[in-house]
Amino acid sequence: DTAVSQTPKYLVTQMGNDKSIKCEQNLGHDTMYWYKQDSKKFLKIMFSYNNKELIINETVPNRFSPKSPDKAHLNLHINSLELGDSAVYFCASSQRVWTADTQYFGPGTRLTVL
Amino acid sequence: AQKITQTQPGMFVQEKEAVTLDCTYDTSDPSYGLFWYKQPSSGEMIFLIYQGSYDQQNATEGRYSLNFQKARKSANLVISASQLGDSAMYFCAMKITGGGNKLTFGTGTQLKVEL
Repeated sequence: DTAVSQTPKYLVTQMGNDKSIKCEQNLGHDTMYWYKQDSKKFLKIMFSYNNKELIINETVPNRFSPKSPDKAHLNLHINSLELGDSAVYFCASSQRVWTADTQYFGPGTRLTVL
Repeated sequence: AQKITQTQPGMFVQEKEAVTLDCTYDTSDPSYGLFWYKQPSSGEMIFLIYQGSYDQQNATEGRYSLNFQKARKSANLVISASQLGDSAMYFCAMKITGGGNKLTFGTGTQLKVEL
């Protein structure tokens, strides 16, 4: 029933570890995104995939690597985690890349790096 | 580059009253979309309303309406008959055509509805 789902919801880990966040959408959308919400609640785009192809790669450290095995899934792998990576990560999807297309967000993954 | 400005970090409104949350935007692109999202304390991002730059009429969705003033580059959200459940953070966001479909967000307005 859930439209955009993410796992895990919470992730607590030590500095230097590698972790992954998974995202799945059952809306039949072509385009998926990762956003980061910092401690001040500011939301910023990280990546966008359209039909499994990367179309947006904002200024994100290359420790972050998205992977889209198919249109319904977009995972985020983070290497060598740093304290500054602590944030809420949201996955989103939209039908296409048109301006009018609404993006629907997942519930978010709260990552805490100790 | 596009920019969204929300100048009200916090707002209070009495239950059943109407409230306007301000949003101004800046872009040189003639084709763009404006969105409002609600983020309750539980953390999820809920889509509320959309306005296209070429739309002639202001968008409405139930108790939400968007006061779109293109010349002033403003897209204020009006919530009528506020309810306690409207207490949340509200984000204004914009997409431009050809921008890869990324949403650029404002800093948000925390709304508290009081009895």
